[in-house]
Amino acid sequence: DTAVSQTPKYLVTQMGNDKSIKCEQNLGHDTMYWYKQDSKKFLKIMFSYNNKELIINETVPNRFSPKSPDKAHLNLHINSLELGDSAVYFCASSHTGGGNTIYFGEGSWLTVV
Amino acid sequence: AQSVTQLDSQVPVFEEAPVELRCNYSSSVSVYLFWYVQYPNQGLQLLLKYLSGSTLVKGINGFEAEFNKSQTSFHLRKPSVHISDTAEYFCAVGSGGSNYKLTFGKGTLLTVNP
Repeated sequence: DTAVSQTPKYLVTQMGNDKSIKCEQNLGHDTMYWYKQDSKKFLKIMFSYNNKELIINETVPNRFSPKSPDKAHLNLHINSLELGDSAVYFCASSHTGGGNTIYFGEGSWLTVV
Repeated sequence: AQSVTQLDSQVPVFEEAPVELRCNYSSSVSVYLFWYVQYPNQGLQLLLKYLSGSTLVKGINGFEAEFNKSQTSFHLRKPSVHISDTAEYFCAVGSGGSNYKLTFGKGTLLTVNP
């Protein structure tokens, strides 16, 4: 069973479109994250949610809106896609608190053309 | 504020040679340190982590790392690498508390040549 699964894995879309990436974890964790990996492989946190509550929002444009319907799911919706949004988006999860391992999904490769 | 510096962006080595990937961190609070590996077109997999206690940490696939508080370093080592170890390696520092997150270094591409 996949611990953190996200769909779709690959997404090619045109500028200006709206798209969503879905994420689910079956590890029983109460904290979920979205990370962005740019073309230079740099990983940066975008959001974290704890029990459906937004905890971290790292100066991400308002076009990005996470939604957590329950603590096992964290979806990412992106409005008005721009070329610079092209990246790999990783969903992740962990138990709450310092030192816990963060488990990552396989990534969603977004290409905006 | 926390930050991680991975001193080498690329490390080429020959198969069966030893390797060290260097990582230095900066943190004003308690430190949790991690090494992750990313194989091509895949997600990140935990290699090992340091929370407290023994400064030498052993991980999967024969990797180990040593926490050095005075030098604020957490270097990753393997005594003998295989072709299959070719991947991107990320060092990360974790913050504590309810706003827990990992701050990553820029990664080191380890290329193992035959």
